[in-house]
Amino acid sequence: DAGVTQSPTHLIKTRGQQVTLRCSPKSGHDTVSWYQQALGQGPQFIFQYYEEEERQRGNFPDRFSGHQFPNYSSELNVNALLLGDSALYLCASSLVLTEYNEQFFGPGTRLTVL
Amino acid sequence: GDSVTQMEGPVTLSEEAFLTINCTYTATGYPSLFWYVQYPGEGLQLLLKATKADDKGSNKGFEATYRKETTSFHLEKGSVQVSDSAVYFCALSERGAQKLVFGQGTRLTINP
Repeated sequence: DAGVTQSPTHLIKTRGQQVTLRCSPKSGHDTVSWYQQALGQGPQFIFQYYEEEERQRGNFPDRFSGHQFPNYSSELNVNALLLGDSALYLCASSLVLTEYNEQFFGPGTRLTVL
Repeated sequence: GDSVTQMEGPVTLSEEAFLTINCTYTATGYPSLFWYVQYPGEGLQLLLKATKADDKGSNKGFEATYRKETTSFHLEKGSVQVSDSAVYFCALSERGAQKLVFGQGTRLTINP
């Protein structure tokens, strides 16, 4: 049973560029959440997708956008990159019918903005 | 808003020592509580969870009890191993909410 997978593993971009990160959920899961983890900090919720729509959003600017595809996989897009966007981006999947919101995390994409 | 406060790290112990990592929370409702562990270079793995007051979550020798009266969910292990070295995150999720709210993490190092 494949867990949550993310690509790419590492990415280096320069300020002002745009980036797309990808996530495939755990088999059987229908909901994908994205988190940003700055160095030495806990993950911060960006947004969650279910049925191809954004269900909830954290305190992140509109430069952060996402998409969910019919096969439940998801993309995170960040426009006009800033140095402060450098972080580990984590994708988590879950099943919407789960009452207790147990989420399973992927290994993350390490984004470095120069 | 909801928040989680964890014991400041880093924490360094010798093998077979007793471990406690403190976690307290603030929430408007009755959240579910979680401990996640992050090994070097990896994503987060769910260690244990508790969904209502007085529940005890346990896994791999780790335990934590949901204490509503003290709004706490402290992580304990009776005898730690070198392989337990990692960063530990306490988190909560309000029932019906979509997001996990994490503490800042506690880095644990176990020396042989």
